[in-house]
Amino acid sequence: GENVEQHPSTLSVQEGDSAVIKCTYSDSASNYFPWYKQELGKRPQLIIDIRSNVGEKKDQRIAVTLNKTAKHFSLHITETQPEDSAVYFCAARATGTASKLTFGTGTRLQVML
Amino acid sequence: GAVVSQHPSRVICKSGTSVKIECRSLDFQATTMFWYRQFPKQSLMLMATSNEGSKATYEQGVEKDKFLINHASLTLSTLTVTSAHPEDSSFYICSAATQGMNTEAFFGQGTRLTVV
Repeated sequence: GENVEQHPSTLSVQEGDSAVIKCTYSDSASNYFPWYKQELGKRPQLIIDIRSNVGEKKDQRIAVTLNKTAKHFSLHITETQPEDSAVYFCAARATGTASKLTFGTGTRLQVML
Repeated sequence: GAVVSQHPSRVICKSGTSVKIECRSLDFQATTMFWYRQFPKQSLMLMATSNEGSKATYEQGVEKDKFLINHASLTLSTLTVTSAHPEDSSFYICSAATQGMNTEAFFGQGTRLTVV
């Protein structure tokens, strides 16, 4: 089955700096890669996603890049703000409209004032 | 986006009792629902996949007789934790998907289960 690894497990940045979180996946059949932000006790919230036919996607301060050959994808947050502090999860899903998501282990991002 | 409602949001039960958690898709028909468990400071681990009208498929290591899943309709799936023990205390989250919906997964609010 799919295996998703995520690094780093914790990340502290100064407000205004950039944050980068990296994930690798094992199943070459995976074609959908979402990123979730989860605050304590809440459901995961989708912040951005990318499909395998695209190499990069950007939405304001958030961007995701995908390297299919190397099977890795990254989340980039620029101009970080205190409200970006949360746990971020990457995930991968194989082709198919209702296939299960495999999550990475999570990154706890802390943005310091 | 689609709305998935999960209840209860919090439940405290005594050891040995059973707890039922409901997951409803409010504005679409969910042919498939996924149940995840999340321990503190850990990732979401898939427990089982349920398809409407058929038996759930459990992930390795998940006891099907302890975690009973029913997906009797296209809008409702339930997870029953039977004979709960303190080690079952966790955050349980469902997500729903449907045929033809090749989009994001829609999550319920989650249920914080505490077994005392």
